[in-house]
Amino acid sequence: NAGVMQNPRHLVRRRGQEARLRCSPMKGHSHVYWYRQLPEEGLKFMVYLQKENIIDESGMPKERFSAEFPKEGPSILRIQQVVRGDSAAYFCASSPGLARGETQYFGPGTRLLVL
Amino acid sequence: RKEVEQDPGPFNVPEGATVAFNCTYSNSASQSFFWYRQDCRKEPKLLMSVYSSGNEDGRFTAQLNRASQYISLLIRDSKLSDSATYLCVVNLRGNTPLVFGKGTRLSVIA
Repeated sequence: NAGVMQNPRHLVRRRGQEARLRCSPMKGHSHVYWYRQLPEEGLKFMVYLQKENIIDESGMPKERFSAEFPKEGPSILRIQQVVRGDSAAYFCASSPGLARGETQYFGPGTRLLVL
Repeated sequence: RKEVEQDPGPFNVPEGATVAFNCTYSNSASQSFFWYRQDCRKEPKLLMSVYSSGNEDGRFTAQLNRASQYISLLIRDSKLSDSATYLCVVNLRGNTPLVFGKGTRLSVIA
């Protein structure tokens, strides 16, 4: 049973380019969460999605960031016109969303470096 | 006040030592509590859930005090492989984002 998959594992972009991060949840999981971890910081929530719906995007920066979880295929976190401050590890987590206390399982992360 | 606060660390302990981590959370409505472990440049991995009655998993014991909004993790007989950052994590309720502390770094030294 494959875990949460993320790709690419490492991504280098120049300022102003676009970054696309992909996440495939664990089999049977329909809830996806994206978190960002800045260097020497804790993980911060960005966005929570279910298939074709954004449930909570309260942690997403208002500009340049967007997320989707289409009916078919992985969840995508898109960062337009990247800046150096976007350099971070971006983790995706999934859960089946069935029960209180059900925790989330994390993918290996995508490490974004903006030059 | 931060939502989840942890001892800043780092904790440097010899093999075989007992070490305790503390954590406090600000939202009294929180319902679920966890300890995660994160190795350098890796993803967080669930170490254990924390229950009101306290729970133990081998050398690891977790405690929760809802009245004080306090969570603890005790590691007995530390191993070199226990070296990692330990994250205190709180969840308001199911299907909501996890709230992470900044983590406490542990180094177990031979």
